Amino acid sequence: AQSVTQLDSQVPVFEEAPVELRCNYSSSVSVYLFWYVQYPNQGLQLLLKYLSGSTLVKGINGFEAEFNKSQTSFHLRKPSVHISDTAEYFCAVSLLGFGNEKLTFGTGTRLTIIP
Amino acid sequence: EAGVVQSPRYKIIEKKQPVAFWCNPISGHNTLYWYRQNLGQGPELLIRYENEEAVDDSQLPKDRFSAERLKGVDSTLKIQPAELGDSAVYLCASSLNRLETNEQYFGPGTRLTVT
Repeated sequence: AQSVTQLDSQVPVFEEAPVELRCNYSSSVSVYLFWYVQYPNQGLQLLLKYLSGSTLVKGINGFEAEFNKSQTSFHLRKPSVHISDTAEYFCAVSLLGFGNEKLTFGTGTRLTIIP
Repeated sequence: EAGVVQSPRYKIIEKKQPVAFWCNPISGHNTLYWYRQNLGQGPELLIRYENEEAVDDSQLPKDRFSAERLKGVDSTLKIQPAELGDSAVYLCASSLNRLETNEQYFGPGTRLTVT
């Protein structure tokens, strides 16, 4: 079975500063990797995904993530955050090549932007 | 294109009462998922449908939870009777049935409070 660990439950960052949200996963087989964002009282919105190919993935809202197979990590980064980035961020995995398998989520990281 | 629609958005009931949630997926999406998100946690899959067939319901507490997806479109998730521990956000998601990706689109969720 696969699992996801998000080491930081809360990350406060000053506006316009860079941020990195950490995600590590565990799986005995290859996986797809995802980052979702959840704004208050809303559902989850896909930020970016890694399926194959280049290990640096660019997503919406200026976010990017890098897949590191040796470290089984998929950290999310943004060079300069904005107040509107305040939200909960979830890392998720699903099994590779098995169609529409379930997503296994981490416990989330709450990103708070300080003006 | 309309997104995943869920209703109601909020529901407050007393324990031992029944409750039902409704989901309308994105048009053309044959895979539908119900997830439960407890406070401070990531979503966890309850059940996954491929068209009308429930292909993964291993995490559904079948003594009190039931779900259906008649005609392979809309879906209803029911709890009877509800317990205090069922308080959570119930998220519906849908996706196209493609092997090369597993991008799931989430609805806004139904926040259930059991008193």
